[in-house]
Amino acid sequence: AQTVTQSQPEMSVQEAETVTLSCTYDTSESDYYLFWYKQPPSRQMILVIRQEAYKQQNATENRFSVNFQKAAKSFSLKISDSQLGDAAMYFCAYRKDSNYQLIWGAGTKLIIKP
Amino acid sequence: DADVTQTPRNRITKTGKRIMLECSQTKGHDRMYWYRQDPGLGLRLIYYSFDVKDINKGEISDGYSVSRQAQAKFSLSLESAIPNQTALYFCATRKETGGSDTQYFGPGTRLTVL
Repeated sequence: AQTVTQSQPEMSVQEAETVTLSCTYDTSESDYYLFWYKQPPSRQMILVIRQEAYKQQNATENRFSVNFQKAAKSFSLKISDSQLGDAAMYFCAYRKDSNYQLIWGAGTKLIIKP
Repeated sequence: DADVTQTPRNRITKTGKRIMLECSQTKGHDRMYWYRQDPGLGLRLIYYSFDVKDINKGEISDGYSVSRQAQAKFSLSLESAIPNQTALYFCATRKETGGSDTQYFGPGTRLTVL
């Protein structure tokens, strides 16, 4: 069965610095999708970035980028120039294909120090 | 206006009571999902629906039922609430084809069962 592990329950970073959140997953599939979602105190889940496993190039969205290591089954999220508004829970998620459910990690709480 | 709305946002009830959580969306998406979030466990899928006539059990469907009254509405019911159903509940939608596989989440319902 597929699993997603986020080994850091909480991380903190100084404003304007860079932080990396870790995620590992277990699957026997070769094609799949990986996601990072952000959940601020408002509780709503917001998609941050997605990566297709068949793409070797790491996805980027402005200050957010991933380090996708397929062989190692690792999918870390790098946040550059951290801002106070980045403070939230961050969840890593995996999906096998378009009809399969998302498998979620337990989340990492990110604290931004002013 | 929000694309995915959930009512109520907060609910406190007693053991044995019947509870209905409602979800509405204006995105015109075919697929709708109900998740439960518990601290340290991430999100777990309760039920999902690909269209009005296609409803499927997720990872943790026991104790829950759903109704897809229309494309835009997907309700979750707890027939006889118990304290371990205390959690944060999220509804989400996704477009079936031709678009991004992004899931759009509602703001969540915090349910407390005493």
